[in-house]
Amino acid sequence: AQTVTQSQPEMSVQEAETVTLSCTYDTSESNYYLFWYKQPPSRQMILVIRQEAYKQQNATENRFSVNFQKAAKSFSLKISDSQLGDTAMYFCAFMKVGGGADGLTFGKGTHLIIQP
Amino acid sequence: NAGVTQTPKFRILKIGQSMTLQCTQDMNHNYMYWYRQDPGMGLKLIYYSVGAGITDKGEVPNGYNVSRSTTEDFPLRLELAAPSQTSVYFCASSPSRGLTDTQYFGPGTRLTVL
Repeated sequence: AQTVTQSQPEMSVQEAETVTLSCTYDTSESNYYLFWYKQPPSRQMILVIRQEAYKQQNATENRFSVNFQKAAKSFSLKISDSQLGDTAMYFCAFMKVGGGADGLTFGKGTHLIIQP
Repeated sequence: NAGVTQTPKFRILKIGQSMTLQCTQDMNHNYMYWYRQDPGMGLKLIYYSVGAGITDKGEVPNGYNVSRSTTEDFPLRLELAAPSQTSVYFCASSPSRGLTDTQYFGPGTRLTVL
């Protein structure tokens, strides 16, 4: 089984600053996917960014980028030019490639607060 | 497309009661999932289905049952509700399990068992 750990329960930054959310995971799988999901107060789960484990190039989506370190089993999310609408819970998630009783394995989340 | 819809949005149950949480998707997705989210925690997989007539257990299946008679519907049944089942329940769907096949989540059902 795999585990996902987010060690920062809450973070707070000023608007327009850059913030990095940490995520580490533990797995014996060699091929897998990693995701960051955003959950605003509406509770809707929104996919922010995704990464394939076999790709060394870090994924980017506009202001969001990741730092994927496979050997260290680390998958951090960087948000540049943070905006008030970025305030939300952020969850790191893991999914192995292939069959089996699997959906996504989530971390406990980081509550990100963007201050005006 | 409505995407993934869940009913009800909120529900309060008494200990020992039963209920069914409804989930419907109109995207013709093969894969469907049920997760629960306890306060201050990430989501945990309860059950999943890879197509009509096929279901399997996830990480926390005890106290729940599912069925998948059609592609669109994936109801979650709670028998003999217990306070430990107080949680927010999310249904999700995806075309398959590939990287580009994003899991689309419903808005959730907040269940309280008293």
